[in-house]
Amino acid sequence: AQSVSQHNHHVILSEAASLELGCNYSYGGTVNLFWYVQYPGQHLQLLLKYFSGDPLVKGIKGFEAEFIKSKFSFNLRKPSVQWSDTAEYFCAVTTYSSASKIIFGSGTRLSIRP
Amino acid sequence: DAGVTQSPTHLIKTRGQHVTLRCSPISGHKSVSWYQQVLGQGPQFIFQYYEKEERGRGNFPDRFSARQFPNYSSELNVNALLLGDSALYLCASSSQGTKTQYFGPGTRLLVL
Repeated sequence: AQSVSQHNHHVILSEAASLELGCNYSYGGTVNLFWYVQYPGQHLQLLLKYFSGDPLVKGIKGFEAEFIKSKFSFNLRKPSVQWSDTAEYFCAVTTYSSASKIIFGSGTRLSIRP
Repeated sequence: DAGVTQSPTHLIKTRGQHVTLRCSPISGHKSVSWYQQVLGQGPQFIFQYYEKEERGRGNFPDRFSARQFPNYSSELNVNALLLGDSALYLCASSSQGTKTQYFGPGTRLLVL
């Protein structure tokens, strides 16, 4: 069965630090990849997505992610975090055969120290 | 434009009861999906409906059912509630041919 692994359960950073959140998926075929963010008290929002083409995708609020097919990874990065980036981040995948079913990772809680 | 809306926002039920959760998709979206998010975990897929037909089902017992109406809104029904059904229930909508789902604020269900 397909699965998504986010190895960092809780990450704590100071403002202006660089961020990288890991995400690995298990599926050998064509995938669509997503990062969603859930700010405190708010609903799940799409941060960025990869369907095809350039493996380096840019999203909102200065976030980017790189798809490395050989490593089955889709890590999220941001060069300089802000206190407002405090949130829960979810990596997710859909497959060609199950495009309607999003498979989410367990999430990474990001805490930013002001 | 309004996003995905869900009602109610919070709900408290007791074991064995039945619950109905409602979702209205973004205008123009014909596909609705339901997810269950237990505290500390990522959302888990329950159902997807498109044009009033079930197009996908996750690994949930038959106590969970759903339907979609002609206006593309949807209901999720859960019978014989268990304590473990306590969770945030999310609805997401998407338009035909796209691979992106947009989520509503969720309904938080507490089963006592």
